[in-house]
Amino acid sequence: GNSVTQMEGPVTLSEEAFLTINCTYTATGYPSLFWYVQYPGEGLQLLLKATKADDKGSNKGFEATYRKETTSFHLEKGSVQVSDSAVYFCALSAGGSSNTGKLIFGQGTTLQVKP
Amino acid sequence: KAGVTQTPRYLIKTRGQQVTLSCSPISGHRSVSWYQQTPGQGLQFLFEYFSETQRNKGNFPGRFSGRQFSNSRSEMNVSTLELGDSALYLCASSLAELVGQPQHFGDGTRLSIL
Repeated sequence: GNSVTQMEGPVTLSEEAFLTINCTYTATGYPSLFWYVQYPGEGLQLLLKATKADDKGSNKGFEATYRKETTSFHLEKGSVQVSDSAVYFCALSAGGSSNTGKLIFGQGTTLQVKP
Repeated sequence: KAGVTQTPRYLIKTRGQQVTLSCSPISGHRSVSWYQQTPGQGLQFLFEYFSETQRNKGNFPGRFSGRQFSNSRSEMNVSTLELGDSALYLCASSLAELVGQPQHFGDGTRLSIL
């Protein structure tokens, strides 16, 4: 079946450090891939997306490239800020009627950025 | 443009009771999906509605049900509540007609079962 695997957290970084959160997926066909962020007490906010191989999604300094050959969608940011502290979720949306309206999420990675 | 609105934000119930949660999608979005979020199981898909029809359903017992109205607003109902139903319930809407459209989430309803 379809699945998403994220690196274990928590990830603790100093401000201005480089961030990578690994995400790999298993899916048939060509899924769409997403990164969502969740701040305490809130729902999920869409961070970026990619819908086909080699697409690069980017937003607010975050980037991720859809790599079909390695089935990966790693999240990166060149210089993190304290305000980036949150939980990050990688997700996929697969095609087919059995996957309609359904996102499959990784387990989430908690990022803590210290000043 | 208003986002996805979920009400209420918090609910406290006791075992055996039932509960109804409400979700108003972004204007123009006809697809509404529901998810359960718990520390142990993470984010799990409950079901999806489109044009008042349930199109997809996750692996949850029949105690979990939902519906969608003609204005795309959706409700989910949980009957005979169990302690394990304590969770954050998230609703998301999307322009389902377009491939690869993302889902936009509300802030959720935090349900606590005593």
